[in-house]
Amino acid sequence: AQKVTQAQTEISVVEKEDVTLDCVYETRDTTYYLFWYKQPPSGELVFLIRRNSFDEQNEISGRYSWNFQKSTSSFNFTITASQVVDSAVYFCALSGTGKNSGYSTLTFGKGTMLLVSP
Amino acid sequence: GAGVSQSPRYKVAKRGQDVALRCDPISGHVSLFWYQQALGQGPEFLTYFQNEAQLDKSGLPSDRFFAERPEGSVSTLKIQRTQQEDSAVYLCASSLVRGVTYNEQFFGPGTRLTVL
Repeated sequence: AQKVTQAQTEISVVEKEDVTLDCVYETRDTTYYLFWYKQPPSGELVFLIRRNSFDEQNEISGRYSWNFQKSTSSFNFTITASQVVDSAVYFCALSGTGKNSGYSTLTFGKGTMLLVSP
Repeated sequence: GAGVSQSPRYKVAKRGQDVALRCDPISGHVSLFWYQQALGQGPEFLTYFQNEAQLDKSGLPSDRFFAERPEGSVSTLKIQRTQQEDSAVYLCASSLVRGVTYNEQFFGPGTRLTVL
């Protein structure tokens, strides 16, 4: 069975601070993808980043960066110079192989609420 | 529209009523997923369609839940004899192609169901 754990329930920072959201996952699949989604108060899940299990190279995209470490099954997400508009719930998700291996579903963590104050 | 749309956005039902939730995926998207998101939790998988075929309904919590996608486009999630524990946000997602684990899912705004 797959599992995603986001130990941080809520994080509060002041604008311009850097913030890292933690994610630990469990899977028996050898091929999988990890995602981060943002859910603002409007409720819609917004795709942020995706990383496959074969590529542990960490990247930076604008103010977002991520640290994928297969050895510790972690996929942490960092926002640099946070802004008030970053306030939202952030979900880490893991793709898995469906029962017929012809599709994948997403297993989500419980989310981390990020509050950025001015 | 360009994105996934869902209707209604909010639904209040009395316990025991039947409800129907609609999802309009992005045009041309083959795969369609339904998720249930309880308050303070992450979304949990309910069911999956590939075109009109329902390939996986393992996440449906009971036989009161039924989903269909008869023409491979619009999908409806129906809940019969609603119970208070059914209160949640129901999210629909679509993706362009079938299979493959990297396939990005585009989510709709969800329908918030409250059962009194």
